[in-house]
Parts: sequence; C-alpha cells; structure tokens
Amino acid sequence: ETGVTQSPTHLIKTRGQQVTLRCSSQSGHNTVSWYQQALGQGPQFIFQYYREEENGRGNFPPRFSGLQFPNYSSELNVNALELDDSALYLCASAGGGTGEGETQYFGPGTRLLVL
Amino acid sequence: AQSVTQPDIHITVSEGASLELRCNYSYGATPYLFWYVQSPGQGLQLLLKYFSGDTLVQGIKGFEAEFKRSQSSFNLRKPSVHWSDAAEYFCAGSMTTDSWGKLQFGAGTQVVVTP
Repeated sequence: ETGVTQSPTHLIKTRGQQVTLRCSSQSGHNTVSWYQQALGQGPQFIFQYYREEENGRGNFPPRFSGLQFPNYSSELNVNALELDDSALYLCASAGGGTGEGETQYFGPGTRLLVL
Repeated sequence: AQSVTQPDIHITVSEGASLELRCNYSYGATPYLFWYVQSPGQGLQLLLKYFSGDTLVQGIKGFEAEFKRSQSSFNLRKPSVHWSDAAEYFCAGSMTTDSWGKLQFGAGTQVVVTP
C-alpha cells in the first residue's frame, strides 16, 4: 500500500451538479497530482499542486479546480458535471523537490458516475 | 508532441510462459519512464522506473524493463507469468526538464493469463 487515501470510493451525481473529491497524501509528501481515467483508457493528467500552489495543468476546462491544504491533503472540485466526467479519479502524491527522480504513488481512486 | 504508446491493447499468455509488453515513447530528450499495474477497480501500483544509468531496470514481482534509446522503447518483461499477474499494465513518461510528476500514460495493455 502507498499510504495515499481517497474519499469517497464511489459517487453518483446527476448532470449539472457539483462534486468534491478528497485525497490524503502519503506522509512526508508535499506534491499531489490528479488524474482522470475514463473506462478503457489510460489516466489523463488534470493538474498538480506543490506546497498549496497549482504547479501545472493538463487539458481540462476551468470547471475542474483544486485545492491543497497546509497538511498537503487535496481536493478536486468539478462544477457543472457532464456525462463525460464519469471516470475513475486518481490522486497521486510525491515527495516534492526540484524534479530529479520524483516518483508518484497513487491512491485507490474515486469512481464517479454522472447520470 | 510528447507521447507514450503501447501498441498492444490485449495479450493472452499461459501461466509459466514469458511475457513482454511493449512501450514506445516520443520525447525531445530522455524522459523518466515508469511501468504501473492496475488490478480491476484498483489504483495504480508502481512496478519499476527508469531515470538514468543502467538501462536494465529491476522491479517488484519479478518484472524488469529495458530502456533502449535507439528504439525509443521501454519494454516490460517477466520470465514466468503467474495467474496473479493478470491485470492492466500502463507505461508512463514525464519530461526530465519540465513537469516532473506530470505523467503521460499509454492506453494500457490488458494481460490475461490462462491455465
């Protein structure tokens, strides 16, 4: 086990609603990344937070937003849910630093279904 | 554009036989490369990683991978497959000069192990 936890494990929402997903990083890690994995596909990078600041963003619209807290836990918020947002959302934490040799450790994911 | 490609969507292998999963990358320079495994409904578990140095990398569960710059490949191998190796395998890369931890994943290879 990696020590990265996510909640909830499953979630069902309807189109247009808003959702918040949570991630608790592995102890000592100050960087968290979020990924979206649609059924049958590889994970797609949403964004990354380093020491509470956004540190890069993938090709996702602004209705995908995030936060990182002083204890390095994180939230992913999605507004105005669309059917295509149905996916497994993965959180990954890493030790932070200047980039040399960082490895990401993934949580079990939150499966979101939008009806 | 930077990318990671896994040419094989699905592989069936007999228990005890050898396994090789292909991964090709397209980056301007040598990326960091990773192999992850995902069991049904689970998050991603890191099998091994390549940053630099020895091109043959040993990982967990008896897996190894070889980095070949001339072929832009990072293939995963296991000499003798066990039934518990049935899962989906993802190759991923990130650029060394930017966006560490912002992984790009291949589409995955589903491995089925037959008795």
